[in-house]
Amino acid sequence: DTGVSQDPRHKITKRGQNVTFRCDPISEHNRLYWYRQTLGQGPEFLTYFQNEAQLEKSRLLSDRFSAERPKGSFSTLEIQRTEQGDSAMYLCASSLTGSVGELFFGSGTQLSVL
Amino acid sequence: SQQGEEDPQALSIQEGENATMNCSYKTSINNLQWYRQNSGRGLVHLILIRSNEREKHSGRLRVTLDTSKKSSSLLITASRAADTASYFCATDALLTQGGSEKLVFGKGTKLTVNP
Repeated sequence: DTGVSQDPRHKITKRGQNVTFRCDPISEHNRLYWYRQTLGQGPEFLTYFQNEAQLEKSRLLSDRFSAERPKGSFSTLEIQRTEQGDSAMYLCASSLTGSVGELFFGSGTQLSVL
Repeated sequence: SQQGEEDPQALSIQEGENATMNCSYKTSINNLQWYRQNSGRGLVHLILIRSNEREKHSGRLRVTLDTSKKSSSLLITASRAADTASYFCATDALLTQGGSEKLVFGKGTKLTVNP
């Protein structure tokens, strides 16, 4: 296990289409986070899981966004009816349970909505 | 919303010089972390400093934390061209003050080290 992996690395889609991203965290990590990052900005928190439980979801996240972590291992982030404003880098990170310590990030999925 | 604000937004220096980046935040915290991001890649953790610590070193990195001023600084000594990247501070707010177990990132400082 070499780290957090995200798939795909790049996704180009047309406005109105649905997209799904996958994240595989470091195997022993209980916590999994999703962040979104636009050019020139820092990562913006979207949601996080402890095992399979989704513990927090950003109030900025519209109903078009949904995330799952069904067996407490990999996670998926789905965006329905994509809009041009959804274009961003979607980052996944994982960590061990406990107080918030070091996050291990994947390389991200770059989404472009045309 | 982003709690941390880095200063400056961009910094350009010559190889061998020191680089100092500052971060200010708004609420009481458990700890503060610094991350580095190369263009188009994920973030890499550099260093974590707890709220009861004032200074921490790791290799060429030195981090200070002033909780009374709600600010931190990251110093990179003897910079190299390979240090060129964006640097972000991140904090987790105290649960007792409405925080949660997530990191909130600032907007970052883009560092360019010229060879």
